Amino acid sequence: NAGVTQTPKFQVLKTGQSMTLQCAQDMNHEYMSWYRQDPGMGLRLIHYSVGAGITDQGEVPNGYNVSRSTTEDFPLRLLSAAPSQTSVYFCASSYEPGMYEQYFGPGTRLTVT
Amino acid sequence: TQLLEQSPQFLSIQEGENLTVYCNSSSVFSSLQWYRQEPGEGPVLLVTVVTGGEVKKLKRLTFQFGDARKDSSLHITAAQPGDTGLYLCAGEDNAGNMLTFGGGTRLMVKP
Repeated sequence: NAGVTQTPKFQVLKTGQSMTLQCAQDMNHEYMSWYRQDPGMGLRLIHYSVGAGITDQGEVPNGYNVSRSTTEDFPLRLLSAAPSQTSVYFCASSYEPGMYEQYFGPGTRLTVT
Repeated sequence: TQLLEQSPQFLSIQEGENLTVYCNSSSVFSSLQWYRQEPGEGPVLLVTVVTGGEVKKLKRLTFQFGDARKDSSLHITAAQPGDTGLYLCAGEDNAGNMLTFGGGTRLMVKP
């Protein structure tokens, strides 16, 4: 049982490049979400999904796209990377949002130069 | 957007001391969670509180949810170096779709 996995662990991009951060879970959770973590700002929700084929925006969605074609996978796409997107990105999953435990992946540290 | 403010932002104490971390908001939350995060890892859930006034204990950690469900506190008794980490509170919005995280309290316990 791997839980929530994220790849890559580290990534450096140049401004304007695009890339996809991968997230997968093997717990059959319906709810998945992406957060970014910046120093002193806790975690901010980017996008979330309540099930395959259903996604919605969180607090800071601009510059990011998501899709949910399967229960297991929830990739996050950066369309045109900007230095302001330098951050640590965490994917999480749970049975339902809110009061149920969120299981977090190990994170992807992204630097945009 | 519902906001959660945590205080203090940083706390450095000696082993054996007691401490309290606060999580405050002007908004009402359906439930509130506390997570602990270690460097290079994702947050791990410590506790969920749901009812106003609820108190939960986890060994030396005591969590309280305010009567009005707008605030919460985490009290650690006789802190140990193993308690070092980033403590995050997170509130569930009334629609039940999103968690809002506080900015975190970075705790260092020196031996």
